[in-house]
Amino acid sequence: AQSVTQPDIHITVSEGASLELRCNYSYGATPYLFWYVQSPGQGLQLLLKYFSGDTLVQGIKGFEAEFKRSQSSFNLCKPSVHWSDAAEYFCAVGGNNNDMRFGAGTRLTVKP
Amino acid sequence: GAVVSQHPSWVICKSGTSVKIECRSLDFQATTMFWYRQFPKQSLMLMATSNEGSKATYEQGVEKDKFLINHASLTLSTLTVTSAHPEDSSFYICSARVRTASGVTYEQYFGPGTRLTVT
Repeated sequence: AQSVTQPDIHITVSEGASLELRCNYSYGATPYLFWYVQSPGQGLQLLLKYFSGDTLVQGIKGFEAEFKRSQSSFNLCKPSVHWSDAAEYFCAVGGNNNDMRFGAGTRLTVKP
Repeated sequence: GAVVSQHPSWVICKSGTSVKIECRSLDFQATTMFWYRQFPKQSLMLMATSNEGSKATYEQGVEKDKFLINHASLTLSTLTVTSAHPEDSSFYICSARVRTASGVTYEQYFGPGTRLTVT
């Protein structure tokens, strides 16, 4: 069965600092991997996705993620965090049927 | 493109009443939509897969008689919470599945969510 683990429930970084949010997955075949961001009381916005090809994926808002098959990871990174990046971040894995499973989420707090 | 709307965005109802939530794909057709439930500070839990013209497929533990799903057209799926109780209070999010440009893979676009409070 497919599953997603986000080890960090809450992360705090200073504005301007770099960010890495961890995501590990379990999936029997080649996974489709996604990162979403959710602001309080809002729906989910897709940041980036990996289906195949280049393992370093560029997304919106300056985010990127790297698919590492050997580590079953798909960590989300941003070189310089902005205060507006404070939100909840969800990693998700799905297959071609898009039976998507979400991680528990990581809440990002940005210090001024 | 690929915008999904939900209506209402929030609703308060009394215990024992039924509430209908609509999910619409505004600029595309979606043969498959998904309904998720999210409790405060928790992740999204898939409730059911809604297929146009056929019965929904429910996840284990989700009561199909309580959460009625109707996917009557290629742009509309509805979730009706019947005989709602306070424990049904939650954030309900729908998504619509679309094919990517390659035609091989799919991705989901999410609605903004509906906050249900049952008093």
